[in-house]
Amino acid sequence: DAKTTQPNSMESNEEEPVHLPCNHSTISGTDYIHWYRQLPSQGPEYVIHGLTSNVNNRMASLAIAEDRKSSTLILHRATLRDAAVYYCILRDVGGSQGNLIFGKGTKLSVKP
Amino acid sequence: GAVVSQHPSRVICKSGTSVKIECRSLDFQATTMFWYRQFPKQSLMLMATSNEGSKATYEQGVEKDKFLINHASLTLSTLTVTSAHPEDSSFYICSASYGTGGLDEQFFGPGTRLTVL
Repeated sequence: DAKTTQPNSMESNEEEPVHLPCNHSTISGTDYIHWYRQLPSQGPEYVIHGLTSNVNNRMASLAIAEDRKSSTLILHRATLRDAAVYYCILRDVGGSQGNLIFGKGTKLSVKP
Repeated sequence: GAVVSQHPSRVICKSGTSVKIECRSLDFQATTMFWYRQFPKQSLMLMATSNEGSKATYEQGVEKDKFLINHASLTLSTLTVTSAHPEDSSFYICSASYGTGGLDEQFFGPGTRLTVL
């Protein structure tokens, strides 16, 4: 699976938008961009995924660059419960069994 | 959303004993289940992938005789850490998915914290 690069940590203020970047310059045409997050001492949870077009769901928005070499996860109004490690992961739609390969992710801190 | 449970949530055992961790998909049938390990302040590392009724596929460097995985039904997979040692102390997390493809969402369990004394 292609690699992703994320900042180690970011800080945000409560109620403000947060933009979490991810670089994936070696992405292939069959790679989907997935985001998961892990709250402290819990298993990860799915956030959002996309291929080429921007995506919105109840949790977040995903903005994908035109050349697909980078993407940004957008939390529109951060809450204290959004403090977590956010993982940007590339999944090959034709890959073996859909394995998720987790990088180090971005640790998001939210200040009240 | 789909729910995955793990049991126990925490376990402390003596060195040399074996520990079994259960992973259950509560409201769906999981064709594929995954087992991950996470050491403190590190990311999740995939240990193995199992499909119901067949042998698990282990990642490089994971000893299949030490980490026994059984996926006997579409709702249950077990991970047995045999002859556990202190270096096996970790957070073990399972996930389950409906299908076997690269797009199928994985639903994660809450994790099991294993401490080996």
